[in-house]
Amino acid sequence: DVQLVESGGDLVQPGGSLRLSCAASGLTFSSYAMSWVRQTPGKGLEWVSTITDRGDNTYYADSVQGRFTISRDNSKNTLFLQMNSLRAEDTAVYYCARRSGSYLLGYFFDYWGQGTLVTVSS
Amino acid sequence: DIQMTQSPSSLSASVGDRVTITCRASQSISTYLNWYQQKPGKAPKLLIYATSNLQSGVPSTFSGSGSGTDFTLTISGLQPEDFATYYCQQSYNTPVTFGGGTKVEIK
Repeated sequence: DVQLVESGGDLVQPGGSLRLSCAASGLTFSSYAMSWVRQTPGKGLEWVSTITDRGDNTYYADSVQGRFTISRDNSKNTLFLQMNSLRAEDTAVYYCARRSGSYLLGYFFDYWGQGTLVTVSS
Repeated sequence: DIQMTQSPSSLSASVGDRVTITCRASQSISTYLNWYQQKPGKAPKLLIYATSNLQSGVPSTFSGSGSGTDFTLTISGLQPEDFATYYCQQSYNTPVTFGGGTKVEIK
């Protein structure tokens, strides 16, 4: 079975940094693009970032561009999200998700982790 | 960014009812539309991809249709385990965006 397990969520002050991890198992990790999606009660589900299977291309939402960095270690089946200059509006549950699909079908998130809570507050 | 609007935002239904949820895109997205189910405290679960393709393991009581800007998710014969919040998501372009959700509650 595919398992994605996030960690690293915490309470952090505005302007602070945090690094999230997502450990993957039960899949050929290096064959899939991976993404981070966050959820807040107010704004619902919001895509944050995607990294291609080999890590050679990354994509970001405008709201996190320049502050967040997505990366992966395929030798350790682990996805990361480095979050800098955190703001109150970054408070959310952060999910890692496997991106599947194709150019023909479009892309979708077929496996999700359980989520990790990031709270940005003084 | 493409805006996704779901309606209704919530509905009450009984076990066995047929339920239809609508999702409208702010511009044409062809059939690049996915549906997810989320239960409280859990991650979203993929139900349908590319408008009408049922994800493996999802009951055939779920179906999707539409194209362009208007899409529907239908649950034919609501089961107790179907009470949840449903989200649509477009993958026509980046950033992918989600609808605001439709909460299906027990009448």
